[in-house]
Amino acid sequence: EAGVTQSPRYAVLQEGQAVSFWCDPISGHDTLYWYQQPRDQGPQLLVYFRDEAVIDNSQLPSDRFSAVRPKGTNSTLKIQSAKQGDTATYLCASKTANTEVFFGKGTRLTVV
Amino acid sequence: GDSVTQTEGLVTLTEGLPVMLNCTYQSTYSPFLFWYVQHLNEAPKLLLKSFTDNKRPEHQGFHATLHKSSSSFHLQKSSAQLSDSALYYCASATSSGQKLVFGQGTILKVYL
Repeated sequence: EAGVTQSPRYAVLQEGQAVSFWCDPISGHDTLYWYQQPRDQGPQLLVYFRDEAVIDNSQLPSDRFSAVRPKGTNSTLKIQSAKQGDTATYLCASKTANTEVFFGKGTRLTVV
Repeated sequence: GDSVTQTEGLVTLTEGLPVMLNCTYQSTYSPFLFWYVQHLNEAPKLLLKSFTDNKRPEHQGFHATLHKSSSSFHLQKSSAQLSDSALYYCASATSSGQKLVFGQGTILKVYL
């Protein structure tokens, strides 16, 4: 079974630049998560969807971050104007009822 | 809100010695507790999950016991192996299991 796929694996930006991360969840998983994992910290939930609907985006910095899942399958997380504090690994994960949460390998973002 | 605390950032051990990684939690409800393991450049993967019937979960020689009286879910293994070297996260989730809250993580390094 294919796992959660994320791209790109790495990104290096200058402050002020924009970047998008893409996630392909496990087929049939209705719930999709985006986590931010700063260096030396645990993953912190940014936003999660059930199908195409946003269930919780309370921790998503709405002025610069956005996330969509238009067809309830793939998802894109975008940072409009990156800051050095956004340097982290961004993890996508998915699940469905009665399954565990499966994570992708993440996108490691460095903002210089 | 809910929180998970892992007090050790780094644990170093000689192969063959017992392992114990600490995890305590705070929650308004009775959450499920999880241990995830993340090897270098890999996705976090579920290692153990607490049971509702107080059975002790075990996997790959690791086990953990949920103690509601002390709000703890410490990870243990009787004999460490070199291949156990990784980053370990404790996490909690409400009964719906929709949102995982992670601790800061503990790096386990096992030496010969």
